[in-house]
Order: sequence, then C-alpha cells, then structure tokens
Amino acid sequence: AQSVTQLGSHVSVSEGALVLLRCNYSSSVPPYLFWYVQYPNQGLQLLLKYTSAATLVKGINGFEAEFKKSETSFHLTKPSAHMSDAAEYFCAVKHSSASKIIFGSGTRLSIRP
Amino acid sequence: DTAVSQTPKYLVTQMGNDKSIKCEQNLGHDTMYWYKQDSKKFLKIMFSYNNKELIINETVPNRFSPKSPDKAHLNLHINSLELGDSAVYFCASSQDGRATGELFFGEGSRLTVL
Repeated sequence: AQSVTQLGSHVSVSEGALVLLRCNYSSSVPPYLFWYVQYPNQGLQLLLKYTSAATLVKGINGFEAEFKKSETSFHLTKPSAHMSDAAEYFCAVKHSSASKIIFGSGTRLSIRP
Repeated sequence: DTAVSQTPKYLVTQMGNDKSIKCEQNLGHDTMYWYKQDSKKFLKIMFSYNNKELIINETVPNRFSPKSPDKAHLNLHINSLELGDSAVYFCASSQDGRATGELFFGEGSRLTVL
C-alpha cells in the first residue's frame, strides 16, 4: 500500500530563509510523487511532480524537490522564502497504474517578516 | 474562465437534511473526483469517475451518492446529514486517472451541519 508521511505539521521560517518541507513515501513499486499547495480558502494546485524522469524536479514559484530512492524521500525546498509562500503544502503519492492519489497530512508554512 | 467549478461554495444546513454539491470541469478531462477535507486539513478521496464510470468508491457511508451525467460533470448528493459531515468538499479532475494524474481542483464547497 502506498502512503506519504509529512514530518512537521507546521514550519515557520523567516523571509529570505531556506524553506525545507519533508516528505517520506512508502511504495512497493516506483511511485509518482507530487507536491501541491493550498492557499487559504482555495483549492489545491500542483507545485511539481516526479514521474520517474529527472530526480531533481523544478516547480513553480521557485520550488524544487529531489527524489531520493535510497531514503524514500521527496523533500520540497526553496532557497529564499517570500511572504506569499505562506500556505498549506501537501505531499502526495500515486502508483503508476493506480487511479487514486494519496495525500499526506499537510504542512502549514508560515513566513516571519 | 474557471477550469473546475463547484456550487455552492458555502452550505449551512440542519442535521437530517439532504443536500447536493455540483461540479463541472471545462478541461476536457476524462476523470473526476470528490475529496473531503476535514478541519485538520486532512484530504481523503471519496469517489472517482472515469468517463461516467465509477472507478473509486472508498469506504464512505452510503448516505453519500455521486452521480456523473457526463464526463464533464460530477455531482455529490448527501442524505440525512450528520454533524460529522461538516467539512470542505473538493471536486477535482485529471486527464487520465491512470497516467501521471495531475489533479486540477475546484475551490471547494464548505459544508456546515448544525
């Protein structure tokens, strides 16, 4: 069975600091992995996805994530946080032949001025 | 022009009532979903339809009944509403449910049961 675990339900960083949101996955076969962002009172939108091509994936708004099979991780990073990055971030996993995407419990990112 | 639109955006109702939420997508996608997001932001898939055929039916009370009249529409009807049904319900669509499956979400319908 597939699952994702997001470490830390809340992360707070200063504006301009590095953002690191952690995600570990569990899958018996190579998965597809996603990061989605949810701004207040909105639906989720895709930040980036890994589909077995390059292990370093670049997304929108300066975010990137690296697939590390040996660590079963897919952590999300951004070199310099901006106030507009404050949102809820969800890691998600999908088996290549499955229909459903399983979401992690989410990490709320706060940015301090 | 909204890609995935849900109505209503807010719904406040009494326990025991029946309510429906409608969803439409204009992306030409084959697959549509309903997700439930609880007060702790946890997202759980409920149903999925591919070309009007039900392909995912999670462990959801049978008071919840999805209906897909065509591949651009997926509605959710809830009978005998309970307090625990209070949540935000998200509709989503994807080009192909079995491929890379990027989801496109609506803005959500916040249901409050009193």
